[in-house]
Amino acid sequence: NAGVMQNPRHLVRRRGQEARLRCSPMKGHSHVYWYRQLPEEGLKFMVYLQKENIIDESGMPKERFSAEFPKEGPSILRIQQVVRGDSAAYFCASSPALYEQYFGPGTRLTVT
Amino acid sequence: KNEVEQSPQNLTAQEGEFITINCSYSVGISALHWLQQHPGGGIVSLFMLSSGKKKHGRLIATINIQEKHSSLHITASHPRDSAVYICAVRVNTGNQFYFGTGTSLTVIP
Repeated sequence: NAGVMQNPRHLVRRRGQEARLRCSPMKGHSHVYWYRQLPEEGLKFMVYLQKENIIDESGMPKERFSAEFPKEGPSILRIQQVVRGDSAAYFCASSPALYEQYFGPGTRLTVT
Repeated sequence: KNEVEQSPQNLTAQEGEFITINCSYSVGISALHWLQQHPGGGIVSLFMLSSGKKKHGRLIATINIQEKHSSLHITASHPRDSAVYICAVRVNTGNQFYFGTGTSLTVIP
């Protein structure tokens, strides 16, 4: 049973471009969480999704950020018009139930 | 003030020592997680607790719900235990997770 997969592992974008981060949950998991870890800071919750539904996006910036978890395919975290402050490691975690979480390896976004 | 506080922030131990990392939280929770993050950045979930105590190999995690406190213990520490250990709580009023800033552990041979 493959673990949570994230791609790309490293992503470089120029200011103003779009970044798309993908998360494939473990087989059978219908809950996905996205977290951001800024340099020298702790993890911060961004959004919690179930298939085709955003359950809680209270941790996501109101502008430029969006997330989806379609019926088929991976969950996508999209950042439009990236700025230097978006440079961070973005982790997703998947869960078969309400409490357990299995983390992906993360995507390290660098905005130049 | 952070919802989750960890101590110590940094910890250096000799191989074989018994290690304790503490976590205090100020919100009502439905579960508490201990996570391990290695220098490469990958995160592994070590424990999920809602009460009592759990043990896995040399790792032991305890939680006291009344005191809003949890501890992670490592017995017979080894250099491969060197990592950042993170405490995370899920609030009981929704889906939010709050994370401590982590304890950076270095075990010296």
